Formats: sequence, structure tokens, C-alpha cells
Amino acid sequence: EVQLVESGGGLVQPGGSLRLSCAASGFTFSPYWMDWVRQAPGKGLVWVSHINGEGKTNYADSVKGRFTISRDNAKNTLYLQMNSLRVDDTALYYCVRENWGIDSWGQGTLVTVSS
Amino acid sequence: QTVVTQDPSFSVSPGGTVTLTCGLGSGSISASNYPSWFQQTPGQAPRTLIYNTRIRSSGVPDRFSGAILGNKAALTITGAQADDESHYYCVLSMGSGTWVFGGGTKLTVL
Repeated sequence: EVQLVESGGGLVQPGGSLRLSCAASGFTFSPYWMDWVRQAPGKGLVWVSHINGEGKTNYADSVKGRFTISRDNAKNTLYLQMNSLRVDDTALYYCVRENWGIDSWGQGTLVTVSS
Repeated sequence: QTVVTQDPSFSVSPGGTVTLTCGLGSGSISASNYPSWFQQTPGQAPRTLIYNTRIRSSGVPDRFSGAILGNKAALTITGAQADDESHYYCVLSMGSGTWVFGGGTKLTVL
């Protein structure tokens, strides 16, 4: 069974940094393309970032230059380094797996940016 | 900026059939957009119902089906049940590893 378990969320002040992790299990991690998706309180789903199996990345304009996605295939783990955080980055952050579409979700980790 | 459109709300009678759609503001949806559909109830993570246009995720009942109808992606629920009352989101691939979600449809079963 595919499992994606996010961690690393918390309360941070504007301008601060956080690193999210997503531990993957139940499948061979390295070939799969992975993404981060976020959901602000009471709002819809928003795609944040993508990484393919070889490490090529892409970002939503709203986070470009501030967030960095990476992966450690030996540890079956996906990361999201978030710098220069803003109040509007407050959201539940989900790790998702691509499989000619998005086929699996984690339970999410909450990031709150507030002074 | 690419816009993916969904009807904000829809209703269906118990036992009825409803088709939710997902449109692309600037054109037509094709299989290469790899449409996926998700169900989300309050306080829960999204659950994948359909991916790659029509592939049903593991454990999803066959009364949920996906297709491309005309220039839109579609999710059809046949024999709607009370616990189908949820928010439904679609997402489309824009290529190069970028995705755009629709704003979601709130489905009421009454």
C-alpha cells in the first residue's frame, strides 16, 4: 500500500524558514515524479512544486525563488525547503505522487506563518 | 495564467446520476492533460477517485467514472449516495511538470 507521511510543519514568523519532509513507502520511490500541493484554510487545492525521478524541478510562480524541492531516493524521502515565508504561505501542505495523473496523497502537514 | 474551471456547486438526488465537469479556460482538454479527480470531505485529506482521465483509484467504487466529454474532463457519479456529499476537485497537467487545480465543486445530495 502506498503511504506518504509528511512532517516538519509548524508555526514560523514571516521571513522565516521551514523544511518539510515526506516519507514514502509501499512502492519503489525513485522512478516516480512527486509534487507538493497546498491548501490554505477554507480554500481550494493549489499546486506548489514538482520533481521528476532525475531531480528536474518546477515551481508555481508564487513560490519560485523562495521554495526548493528535492528528494533523497536512498531514503525514499521528498523535501520542501521553504524560505522567506509569508503570511499567505499558511496552509496544509500535501505530498502527492504522480502516476500519469495524481494518484496518491499524504495526510498533510500544517504550516502557519504568523507574528 | 491558466484557469481550470469547475461549477462551484451542484446537487443530485439520492440514487441519481450527476456529471461534474472540468474545463480549460484557454482551450480543450485532451488525454495529454492527464485529468485527475479528487474527493475531499471537511477535515480530511483529498482522496483520488480517478487519474489519467479514466483510471479508477484502488478501492473506488465503479459508480465513479471519468472521461473526456467534448472539450472538458468529466466525472460521473451513478447511483449517488448520501456520503458522496463532498467537495470534488479536478487537476490538469500543463506539461513540464506543472499542474493546475480547478476551484472545486461542492456536491449536495438531497
